[in-house]
Amino acid sequence: EDQVTQSPEALRLQEGESSSLNCSYTVSGLRGLFWYRQDPGKGPEFLFTLYSAGEEKEKERLKATLTKKESFLHITAPKPEDSATYLCAGGNQAGTALIFGKGTTLSVSS
Amino acid sequence: DTAVSQTPKYLVTQMGNDKSIKCEQNLGHDTMYWYKQDSKKFLKIMFSYNNKELIINETVPNRFSPKSPDKAHLNLHINSLELGDSAVYFCASSPTSDLGVTEAFFGQGTRLTVV
Repeated sequence: EDQVTQSPEALRLQEGESSSLNCSYTVSGLRGLFWYRQDPGKGPEFLFTLYSAGEEKEKERLKATLTKKESFLHITAPKPEDSATYLCAGGNQAGTALIFGKGTTLSVSS
Repeated sequence: DTAVSQTPKYLVTQMGNDKSIKCEQNLGHDTMYWYKQDSKKFLKIMFSYNNKELIINETVPNRFSPKSPDKAHLNLHINSLELGDSAVYFCASSPTSDLGVTEAFFGQGTRLTVV
């Protein structure tokens, strides 16, 4: 069964304390690895798509990387406004939908 | 300009009632989806439509019926609501690509509470 697993479930950081979020997947014929940010009471907001192992993408303090089995979302010198739930999703083999992990809730305190 | 909009944002109703959630996208996308997010924040695909044609119908009770009058709209009708249907329902859309599924853009969600 296709599955996406994220760890940790929750992460508390001090402002400026860099860290990484993990997303491991067992999606046969994975077609794309997607990262989203979700704020409370809102819909997921698209961040990145990665298609090939070794691919990296950056946006402000966030950098996403992809290997053959997992993806990392690196957060460099986070700020309180980075606090949110970060969702990882894999594109299913049929290319018809995203399979989401349960998310990592990040809290950054000043 | 709202890209994917769904109404209502909140819906409180009694068990046994029938309700609908509407969704519209102005992004020109060919594919639209309904996802359900449970109390533990887990997002799961329910339905996927491409150019008004049903592509995915996951293991969802047949009390849930999607309808796509045109490729910019995908509504969700729910019959005989049950307590377990309480969740946040998200509509999303994505462009078509040779790479398969592409990034989906989500609406703000509809929080359904069945009492």
